[in-house]
Order: sequence, then C-alpha cells, then structure tokens
Amino acid sequence: AQTVTQSQPEMSVQEAETVTLSCTYDTSESDYYLFWYKQPPSRQMILVIRQEAYKQQNATENRFSVNFQKAAKSFSLKISDSQLGDAAMYFCAYSMYSGGGADGLTFGKGTHLIIQP
Amino acid sequence: EPEVTQTPSHQVTQMGQEVILRCVPISNHLYFYWYRQILGQKVEFLVSFYNNEISEKSEIFDDQFSVERPDGSNFTLKIRSTKLEDSAMYFCAIRVAETKNIQYFGAGTRLSVL
Repeated sequence: AQTVTQSQPEMSVQEAETVTLSCTYDTSESDYYLFWYKQPPSRQMILVIRQEAYKQQNATENRFSVNFQKAAKSFSLKISDSQLGDAAMYFCAYSMYSGGGADGLTFGKGTHLIIQP
Repeated sequence: EPEVTQTPSHQVTQMGQEVILRCVPISNHLYFYWYRQILGQKVEFLVSFYNNEISEKSEIFDDQFSVERPDGSNFTLKIRSTKLEDSAMYFCAIRVAETKNIQYFGAGTRLSVL
C-alpha cells in the first residue's frame, strides 16, 4: 500500500519570505501523480499544484513550485514571497496513474503553515 | 476549476439515526469520490464511484455506508445508524479527465453526531 509522510507538523515563515514543506512517499509504481492541497480555516480542500511522475520537469504555479525527486521519493513544496493568505494546512497526496480507473487519493497528515506578519 | 456543491454544510444528528449527504457537481462528470476527515486528522479516502457503480472502496467503507446517484445528478453518501465516531468533515470530489486523476473537492459537510 502507498503511504505519504509529512514530517513537519508545523512550519512558520515571515511574510514575503520563502518556505519549503517536505513530503515523502512510498510506492512500487513507476507512474503516478503527486499533489499539494491547501486547507484554510474554512476547511475547503484547494488544489495547489500537481506533478506527474513521468515528467522530469518540476511543476510551478505562480509562487508555488515543487522539487520532485523520483529516486528519493520526495516531493517538496516551495512557497515564494509568502502571503498572509497562504496560512493553512497543506496536505501532500498521492494517486496511482489511472488508465481509466477511479483511484482514491492517499494523503499525508498535513503541515500547518503559519505566516508571521 | 470545476464547481462542486455539497449540502448541507453542517448536519447535526442523534446517534443511531441515518443521514444522507449530498454532492451536486455543476458539470456532468463520470468520476465521484467521498473522503472523510476527522477533526485534526488527515483526509481519508472512503469510496470512488464510476459509471454508476462503486469502483473502489477503503476499509472504512463498511456496510454502514452506501453511495448512489439516484437521479443522474446528485451523488449521495448515506450513513446508517450513525455513531459518535462518525463525526467528521465529509468531502465530495470529482474528477474531470478520463485518464488524469486530478480531483476537485467540494467545501465539505460537517457531520456532528450527538
């Protein structure tokens, strides 16, 4: 079974600084997806960024980027120019590469990100 | 990003009662999912639904739970004989692409069992 580990229960960063959230995973598959979801106090789950394992290039979405190390099974999220609105729980998630199957996501326990003004 | 509406936003029920949680995707999608998040814990997969039948379910999804899409629009999760430990946020998610498992979540229903 696949597992996702987030070793940082909580992280704190000054506004406008850069922070990196860690995620490791375990799988025997060669093709899969990795995601970062953001959960603000409203508890809505918001997709931040995704990475397809067969792509070597790291995904970026504006201030959010990932460092995907397939051999090390590591998938960290970097947030640049941190803003107060970035304060939230961040969950790393894994999914098998679906060729039409309806696969559920496996989540880590989350990292609580605090933005210091 | 596709819009997924969940109703109600908050459901309070007595232990032993049955509840039905609803998910209304705006667009017509083939793949639906239910997840659960107990307060302070991680999000857990319950069940996936494809082509009007269950595709995959987790160990959590036992006989107490059922899903259906009765009218081709609403996607429902029924929890029978609720227990205190069923108190959690329940999220519906939908997938837009046939081959890419990218899931978008609704705002969730907070279930409180008293």
